Amino acid sequence: DTGVSQNPRHKITKRGQNVTFRCDPISEHNRLYWYRQTLGQGPEFLTYFQNEAQLEKSRLLSDRFSAERPKGSFSTLEIQRTEQGDSAMYLCASSPTGTYTGELFFGEGSRLTVL
Amino acid sequence: GQNIDQPTEMTATEGAIVQINCTYQTSGFNGLFWYQQHAGEAPTFLSYNVLDGLEEKGRFSSFLSRSKGYSYLLLKELQMKDSASYLCAVRDSNYQLIWGAGTKLIIKP
Repeated sequence: DTGVSQNPRHKITKRGQNVTFRCDPISEHNRLYWYRQTLGQGPEFLTYFQNEAQLEKSRLLSDRFSAERPKGSFSTLEIQRTEQGDSAMYLCASSPTGTYTGELFFGEGSRLTVL
Repeated sequence: GQNIDQPTEMTATEGAIVQINCTYQTSGFNGLFWYQQHAGEAPTFLSYNVLDGLEEKGRFSSFLSRSKGYSYLLLKELQMKDSASYLCAVRDSNYQLIWGAGTKLIIKP
């Protein structure tokens, strides 16, 4: 399978705990995005990497959220001191540079439930 | 502010045609995307428009009018598997995607 891979697919945690999600993009894609999506809404941009450089981070993102892409391949998204409002689907997407559309290829997502 | 508007929900009959509209107000324009998202799954790319006019791809077509800030997705010969949410997204002047909330399409036999 050469698509975008995310894990874990589901995570249930108690409020105040830390969680980490991993994303493995399509191997030749150098752009990687993290989005958050709640029911009935479109994806909300969180952050964006070009290779290992984090080029943009949403102003709505609190300092409890951090993302890394240390070697320009896989990426991790960590949420510290989780709150119930963090419950959502966390989507990772990758895209290549130099294509006509620059379309995003999404992973299956990591669903977070904070109790 | 930046805004994407699309209907929340639409219902159509199997075998029929349905048009899902999207209007947008964004800071700059570098293309408009339509994605399909089945419940509990990730969005998948359907179409891309950057110039005015109609792009056809099998049973799906997408239209763009940049002067009107308007696009539609046309689905023909509807099948039950087309029941899904359809997301309109615009790439702005910073090359970031601004997403609509999606239109949930219900197909009835």
